[in-house]
Amino acid sequence: DSGVTQTPKHLITATGQRVTLRCSPRSGDLSVYWYQQSLDQGLQFLIQYYNGEERAKGNILERFSAQQFPDLHSELNLSSLELGDSALYFCASSVDPGWDTEAFFGQGTRLTVV
Amino acid sequence: AQTVTQSQPEMSVQEAETVTLSCTYDTSESDYYLFWYKQPPSRQMILVIRQEAYKQQNATENRFSVNFQKAAKSFSLKISDSQLGDAAMYFCAYRSASPGGGADGLTFGKGTHLIIQP
Repeated sequence: DSGVTQTPKHLITATGQRVTLRCSPRSGDLSVYWYQQSLDQGLQFLIQYYNGEERAKGNILERFSAQQFPDLHSELNLSSLELGDSALYFCASSVDPGWDTEAFFGQGTRLTVV
Repeated sequence: AQTVTQSQPEMSVQEAETVTLSCTYDTSESDYYLFWYKQPPSRQMILVIRQEAYKQQNATENRFSVNFQKAAKSFSLKISDSQLGDAAMYFCAYRSASPGGGADGLTFGKGTHLIIQP
């Protein structure tokens, strides 16, 4: 168990809908990362937050947004869902955003868009 | 932008044997970190080993070791005495180490599916 908690574990929704994925980082970790793993694109970095502030953006679509709250949990919002958004979404956390800091991954949320 | 290439979609090895997984990367940076992650059927991403680019010595973690060739931009993973529990997808990953501390995420390869034959 990495200490990073993601909910829900599975989510099935219809095209055009909006969903929210939640991530609770390890105790003491201030930095949160979101990744998408799909068959087509592989593992892609989406976005990073550090202590409530957006730190870096990767290949995140405009239909997607995220935030980190004062209690350090993070939410990834996916809207106007398309079939191609079906993927495994990972959250990872680390103590700080430094490049030498290990990030610990949650078990992911499996999103299926039908 | 950095890219990471894993040219072996699948590898198979007999239990107790040694296997090497290949990874090459492309970057114009001189400072960076390289990682190998393991993803078993449980989906959990588990860090296996990491290498700092400024270190010449290859990293080792028990049965796992790397062969880091900076000039060739190659970063292979050697698993010795393979065990059934090593069966998983293995991902090579790159992370920039910018002077400001680096705030980018990991860039992953497509992965290698490792099969352990009993």
